[in-house]
Amino acid sequence: QITLKESGPTLVKPTQTLTLTCTFSGFSLSTSGVGVGWIRQPPGKALEWLALIYWDDDKRYSPSLKSRLTITKDTSKNQVVLTMTNMDPVDTATYYCAHLVDDSSWEIWGQGTMVTVSS
Amino acid sequence: DIQMTQSPSTLSASVGDRVTITCRAGQSVSSRLAWYQQKPGKAPKLLIYKASSLESGVPSRFSGSGSGTEFTLTISSLQPDDFATYYCQQYNSYYTFGQGTKLEIK
Repeated sequence: QITLKESGPTLVKPTQTLTLTCTFSGFSLSTSGVGVGWIRQPPGKALEWLALIYWDDDKRYSPSLKSRLTITKDTSKNQVVLTMTNMDPVDTATYYCAHLVDDSSWEIWGQGTMVTVSS
Repeated sequence: DIQMTQSPSTLSASVGDRVTITCRAGQSVSSRLAWYQQKPGKAPKLLIYKASSLESGVPSRFSGSGSGTEFTLTISSLQPDDFATYYCQQYNSYYTFGQGTKLEIK
């Protein structure tokens, strides 16, 4: 059974850097074709894809946020980490990590973690 | 970015109704289109991938169709558990979601 769980701060100040960790089980990020990504959702709004890392360390970023994002993986710990710099109140959202295979749809999602940006 | 536009934004229907949600892409995404269901406070759940393939465990009353720029999600006979928000998402060029369609009880 595949599960993913997000963790990180619930509150960050404007201009700070956000670091979120996705801890997963039930699959290996060293298996060919497997990827883990991040998607966010501001309160009452639509979903927005942020970043994705593949089994071979190939990384993809949303063009509109690329300059602020870094995604890394620790295969031995079954973790994927997302950092987002220069946080702003508009970045207030629930952040999800999710699993995909072979550049397809997001099959399994974590429960999400709510991050508020406020001074 | 490929823009995804869903219609309607809100849909009121009754149990047993047949409903259809439309998703239009700003450019062709071939069949690289997924549909998700989201309930309040929960993560999205994959329903349909590759435009028309039903995800394992999803009831057969859900179906998807289309290719290129026009797609539809149909629920053949609404059940109480189906009232939720639905999102389309393309994965032909990066990943973009539609703005969502909220399915409400009439």
